[in-house]
Amino acid sequence: SQQGEEDPQALSIQEGENATMNCSYKTSINNLQWYRQNSGRGLVHLILIRSNEREKHSGRLRVTLDTSKKSSSLLITASRAADTASYFCATVFSGNTPLVFGKGTRLSVIA
Amino acid sequence: SQTIHQWPATLVQPVGSPLSLECTVEGTSNPNLYWYRQAAGRGLQLLFYSVGIGQISSEVPQNLSASRPQDRQFILSSKKLLLSDSGFYLCAWSTTGATYEQYFGPGTRLTVT
Repeated sequence: SQQGEEDPQALSIQEGENATMNCSYKTSINNLQWYRQNSGRGLVHLILIRSNEREKHSGRLRVTLDTSKKSSSLLITASRAADTASYFCATVFSGNTPLVFGKGTRLSVIA
Repeated sequence: SQTIHQWPATLVQPVGSPLSLECTVEGTSNPNLYWYRQAAGRGLQLLFYSVGIGQISSEVPQNLSASRPQDRQFILSSKKLLLSDSGFYLCAWSTTGATYEQYFGPGTRLTVT
């Protein structure tokens, strides 16, 4: 399967701590994206990193991409209770193929 | 700005009944449109996507179908629902091009009884 796989499946941390989630994939990609889903809601796009980029930042989010290891990580710094959600990575393999989503990491931030 | 609407928000239907879920996008033209299904606590399964009016690509063979009668309207249908059709259905759109950043609707929770 070309699907990305997030690790861990679930993560529970205290407010103020950093949260790191990982995503691995199997074939070459055009770009990789991270999304957040609050319970019972639609997904929200967080950040996109292209295959020729190694790191991107957006506010408290930091994404890295290692194409040699076919993996990416999402770091949320100084987590808040409002960060509690499921986080999905999604990969684009070539110009006209749809996104392929992983199964997600459920993050719980305890106040 | 662009917005995406889905309705209904929740739906309870008996096995064997028909289904019609509607998705509309405002504020953009010629979007790519997508239907996903999400089982409880699981990832997203791409069901259909469309790059233009009347153009539908099916990713998973099943008793569901999709149609795109207008540029910004995407409909998911079934003639006879199965118990296994229960789930959270999400519509999404993206601009055409290489980035494929997607924007999701609020979803429809379907329970087949």
